[in-house]
Amino acid sequence: EVQLVESGGGLAQPGGSLRLSCAASGFTFSSYAMSWVRQAPGKGLEWVSALSGSGSRTYYTDSVKGRFTISRDNSKNTLFLQINRLRAEDTARYYCAKAQLGGGAFDMWGQGTVVTVSS
Amino acid sequence: SYVLSQPPSVSVAPGETARITCGGNSIGSKTVHWYQQKPGRAPMVVIYYNSDRPSGIPERFSGSNSGNAATLSITRVEAGDEADYYCQVWDNVSDQRVFGGGTKLTVL
Repeated sequence: EVQLVESGGGLAQPGGSLRLSCAASGFTFSSYAMSWVRQAPGKGLEWVSALSGSGSRTYYTDSVKGRFTISRDNSKNTLFLQINRLRAEDTARYYCAKAQLGGGAFDMWGQGTVVTVSS
Repeated sequence: SYVLSQPPSVSVAPGETARITCGGNSIGSKTVHWYQQKPGRAPMVVIYYNSDRPSGIPERFSGSNSGNAATLSITRVEAGDEADYYCQVWDNVSDQRVFGGGTKLTVL
């Protein structure tokens, strides 16, 4: 079964750090670019970061550059998002998403993990 | 950065056609994908590469893209189509993926 399962969310203080994980199964993980997409409570979707299948190319939305780091372990079929210097506006559900070959649409999504930033 | 504009809401009666627009500068030169998100659920793609439908998506869903606007059309709207819909492109200038603000489709 093709599946993405996120974990690692929780309550964190402003200025703190979290590491999100996304375990993939059912497809050749290393062949596909992956992204993180977040959704603040009651708000729309916001693309956060993407990583090529090999892990050699990274992409970030402007608001997270320098604070977020995307990475992957293809031997363990896992995608990561390291979030540092957390801000209240980072509070959201974070989804990992698989892109179609060639960087097309996000054709598979996990159920997300919730990050809450509050003191 | 590239901006995509969607109407916040669209309302249609059952059986009618819903059209949801996604505006962007020369969006016709880009590839547009559309996602449906129902409450409490993860998004799912309903149209990719402007007008292609994934398997399992009804033929009632179609997409077009030209000039400064892309459009998602849903014919013979059903109650089950009620959801939020998002357009998305890859902006090759900034090398970023971009989502529109989303449109809430209400079936009257």
